[in-house]
Amino acid sequence: QVQLQESGPGLVKPSETLSLTCTVSGGSMNNYYWSWIRQPPGKGLEWIGDIYYSGSTKYNPSLKSRITILVDTSKNQFSLKLSSVTAAETAVYYCARRWWELLSGVDAFDIWGRGTMVTVSS
Amino acid sequence: DIQMTQSPSSLSASVGDRVTITCRASQSISSYLNWYQQKPGKAPNLLIYAASYLQSGVPSRFSGSGSGTDFTLTITSLQPEDFATYFCQQSSSTPITFGPGTRLEIK
Repeated sequence: QVQLQESGPGLVKPSETLSLTCTVSGGSMNNYYWSWIRQPPGKGLEWIGDIYYSGSTKYNPSLKSRITILVDTSKNQFSLKLSSVTAAETAVYYCARRWWELLSGVDAFDIWGRGTMVTVSS
Repeated sequence: DIQMTQSPSSLSASVGDRVTITCRASQSISSYLNWYQQKPGKAPNLLIYAASYLQSGVPSRFSGSGSGTDFTLTITSLQPEDFATYFCQQSSSTPITFGPGTRLEIK
């Protein structure tokens, strides 16, 4: 079955760029959106953005100016870059598969990585 | 942005109880509503999609209903493994937004 695994630095300095990679194993990236979602400690979930396997993106407008999401289907990976981070962006960052089917009305995150904790601190 | 609210924010119940969690959207989202369960230190797990469809592998004691702005998640006959936090999420429009969560605790 499809599994996702996040990787990247666990500590980022304020004002620097957070970079994470999600590796997809056990299946193809084709025909799906691939997403990043974060959760500050003890708080709720925030959608960051998605990328379709073909490369088109959807970003959260609140973060859009600072986000870049890329996909490399040859490596079965997609990545997140978030620039100019602040301490408030300390969170567990999850990658997830977005299951979307127009005709059936399905649009949900059906497979998640285990998450990676990123601390923003000097 | 579509705001999602949940009630109650926390709930105490006993094994075997029936519980209902409510989610409300700030505007109509048709049936673009999903429910997730999250246990401490774990990623969320999809339970219900499109308001009322049970995700594969999820026990049938979980069910969802609603459309428009008001939705419910019902768990019949609570099991020990059901004590967790539950989130609703809308996918009707960008940005995707989640409810603040309902923490289900053992009484």
